[in-house]
Amino acid sequence: QVQLQESGPGLVKPSQTLSLTCTVSGGSISSGSYYWSWIRQPAGKGLEWIGRIYTSGSTNYNPSLRSRVTISVDTSKNQFSLNLNSVTAADTAVYYCARENCSSTSCYYGMDVWGQGTTVIVSS
Amino acid sequence: SYELAQPPSVSVSPGQTASITCSGDRLGDKFVCWYQQKPGQSPVLVIYQDSKRPSGIPERFSGANSGNTATLTINGSQAMDEADYYCQAWDSSIVFGGGTKLTVL
Repeated sequence: QVQLQESGPGLVKPSQTLSLTCTVSGGSISSGSYYWSWIRQPAGKGLEWIGRIYTSGSTNYNPSLRSRVTISVDTSKNQFSLNLNSVTAADTAVYYCARENCSSTSCYYGMDVWGQGTTVIVSS
Repeated sequence: SYELAQPPSVSVSPGQTASITCSGDRLGDKFVCWYQQKPGQSPVLVIYQDSKRPSGIPERFSGANSGNTATLTINGSQAMDEADYYCQAWDSSIVFGGGTKLTVL
């Protein structure tokens, strides 16, 4: 059974870069047809999709964050990562990684595996 | 950018049917999925492709999508169903609704 685990600094200073890693266990990140996504949730608020990377390495980003976001994959470590630059207090949130299930022809199966989430606070 | 609208809250009595709506422009032309999130926990996928249930999700959860509205229905609501529910669709990017807090009382 595939499991995801987020890791990274819990505190980031304003204007710096937030960097998180999601480690995939119980399966290979490069096998099958999956998108690997990042989602965040400010305290007491709703979910916001940040972006995703396919097993091939192609990426899609939320238009509202695209200028500040980079998602990459390291198949040798079975990990994918999020970099969000120029952070402000508005980026304080719980950050989740998730797996989006796909078939060979479409990706409308939803995010069926989620990490437990990691809290990131942006503060000086 | 595409937007999905959900009612902030829905209340239901135990054993009754709860309906949570999700509205968006021509939403029926898109696939919708639904997530359940309990306090302090990660979201759980309960419906995908409008009406399909992942393995392990109780049969009392069902979904439909037509026109501008998708609906998550919980038949015979139980106390354990009290949670926040989010709809999600695919447009040029992935979009979540604002979430609905379901209270079972």
